[in-house]
Amino acid sequence: SYELTQPPSVSVSPGQTARITCSGDALPKQYVYWYQQKPGQAPVLIIYKDTERPSGIPERFSGSISGTTVTLTINGVQAEDEADYYCQSADNSATVVFGGGTKLTVL
Amino acid sequence: EVQLVESGGGLVQPGGSLRLSCVASGFIFSDHYMDWVRQAPGKGLEWVGRARNKVNSYTIEYAASVKGRFIISRDDSKNSLYLQMKSLKTEDTAMYYCTRDSDYAEHAFDIWGQGTVVTVSS
Repeated sequence: SYELTQPPSVSVSPGQTARITCSGDALPKQYVYWYQQKPGQAPVLIIYKDTERPSGIPERFSGSISGTTVTLTINGVQAEDEADYYCQSADNSATVVFGGGTKLTVL
Repeated sequence: EVQLVESGGGLVQPGGSLRLSCVASGFIFSDHYMDWVRQAPGKGLEWVGRARNKVNSYTIEYAASVKGRFIISRDDSKNSLYLQMKSLKTEDTAMYYCTRDSDYAEHAFDIWGQGTVVTVSS
């Protein structure tokens, strides 16, 4: 079955840049989406179609793709960005797949 | 306000059944694909399945882990999405979220409900 691989954890200091990767064999043939989930809350879509940002999402969140790896970049990390981040894609049969999630810790 | 509200969760014994409901408001429900996503305690997100819209013949897709046990349906006249769960296993214990596929990208879940908890235990 199709899998997306994320690092379990990433740590950064406030004001620095956080990068969270997501790799999968079907990338870049399939788009990737990113979600932020804070404790006790439902996930929030923060990036769609690899690089696009929904309205209302701060500009410090961006997405990029290189080969079979997509990256979520958070510039100027703030304490409020501490959360779990999930990438998501779909395989050729339209089955949706999530990565295992990355816990972002703001030191 | 665009909103999804799930209900129907609870405690059920292994092998039992449960039906979840999701009521949508604030948008044209019939235009959208709708999905169920679950999250086991302390674990990541897992897609459960999808109900496409009328234009796409209301077709349904399921994750392999639930296929044959779960049934997704929708009633556009009631702005509602359903998840009928049968032969429940302890590993089905999770928060179940109802989600909306966005207008601008298939598979982009832009609206989520608050979730309903399903606990499968004897």
